[in-house]
Amino acid sequence: DTAVSQTPKYLVTQMGNDKSIKCEQNLGHDTMYWYKQDSKKFLKIMFSYNNKELIINETVPNRFSPKSPDKAHLNLHINSLELGDSAVYFCASSHVTPPSAEQFFGPGTRLTVL
Amino acid sequence: QKEVEQNSGPLSVPEGAIASLNCTYSDRVSQSFFWYRQYSGKSPELIMSIYSNGDKEDGRFTAQLNKASQYVSLLIRDSQPSDSATYLCAALRSFAGGTSYGKLTFGQGTILTVHP
Repeated sequence: DTAVSQTPKYLVTQMGNDKSIKCEQNLGHDTMYWYKQDSKKFLKIMFSYNNKELIINETVPNRFSPKSPDKAHLNLHINSLELGDSAVYFCASSHVTPPSAEQFFGPGTRLTVL
Repeated sequence: QKEVEQNSGPLSVPEGAIASLNCTYSDRVSQSFFWYRQYSGKSPELIMSIYSNGDKEDGRFTAQLNKASQYVSLLIRDSQPSDSATYLCAALRSFAGGTSYGKLTFGQGTILTVHP
């Protein structure tokens, strides 16, 4: 009965490769997010989708492409991986209900680029 | 100036004491505020949310919000070793027609250690 799940949990790959991370939520939320947490533990939003529509796109390299096939899923594809992409990537989801919209996080995917 | 700034840690308190975590934010449009707890190697876990000025209590946790001062705090009473974690303050700025989906901006986190 996991609320927000991500696969894989760990991803180790070589520079230049392409990889994907998948996220699914069973909370009935209609908004989903991708965050990146760097080595200093700073957590920063990358993308947000509301009901399959992109609503937040921070200054992220276009090597990163999110895709939402339906409102319960948000995947992240990364092309031409670089050393600086090594981080923990968290998926999150929330309702769209003023003024709250608490976000619930998945377990994270630790990406290591060698 | 950082959008959300937390008091620099690490913070160390003895078991049973009150731990006080502070946060300031720069964007006056922010309307909702959250405290997350993150254990090492785990994901952030929501522990408190606050939207109105004043205090909000939930068990051993009390969140305080002062929008005029752009200040949010979290008090943990009767601190336990299991409270040892990184605490993240976050501010939500809504956009797009008054809906609540918006940008959640996090502070850099404060590491709390509760020693027996």
